[in-house]
Amino acid sequence: NAGVTQTPKFQVLKTGQSMTLQCAQDMNHEYMSWYRQDPGMGLRLIHYSVGAGITDQGEVPNGYNVSRSTTEDFPLRLLSAAPSQTSVYFCASSYNSQGYEQYFGPGTRLTVT
Amino acid sequence: GNSVTQMEGPVTLSEEAFLTINCTYTATGYPSLFWYVQYPGEGLQLLLKATKADDKGSNKGFEATYRKETTSFHLEKGSVQVSDSAVYFCALCAPSGGSNYKLTFGKGTLLTVNP
Repeated sequence: NAGVTQTPKFQVLKTGQSMTLQCAQDMNHEYMSWYRQDPGMGLRLIHYSVGAGITDQGEVPNGYNVSRSTTEDFPLRLLSAAPSQTSVYFCASSYNSQGYEQYFGPGTRLTVT
Repeated sequence: GNSVTQMEGPVTLSEEAFLTINCTYTATGYPSLFWYVQYPGEGLQLLLKATKADDKGSNKGFEATYRKETTSFHLEKGSVQVSDSAVYFCALCAPSGGSNYKLTFGKGTLLTVNP
């Protein structure tokens, strides 16, 4: 099993550009989520999904969109990148949201200039 | 709302020293508690967990006991190694409305172990 994979590993964008961060898992997990990690802030939940076709907002959803058309994939879209979105982004999955271990991808380091 | 407070770092120790990283939480109901570890350049991975009061989670020489009376889940290791250098996150998982649960993280503690 590959676990949770994320692409790209690094990305530099100019302000106003859009892009999609890819996330896939091969563990047949129902629950998937996106976090951003900033220095001194820990991890903050952006969006999550409890199954294909179902998504919801986390703590910091503004400027991001998600969709979940399959169990395996959960892409994160930046609509119009801003310098405040410079961060490290982690995708995670778990069997469901109810206290099961979350498996994290290796992260995407995004810089917006 | 739910919250996790863990001791601020960075923490710097010599090899074979004793480690404690304090973690306290605020939550409604009976959350599950976790410690995650992040090695340089990697994603987080589960280190240990406890799902009810007085449970002790343990892994790789690390231990933490779920203390409901003090709402704490302190991480300990008797003898740290250089390879333990990483960022450690305390987290809780608790109901967030309906049938959904939410994972809430502390801000992380950077541990550096010197030879």
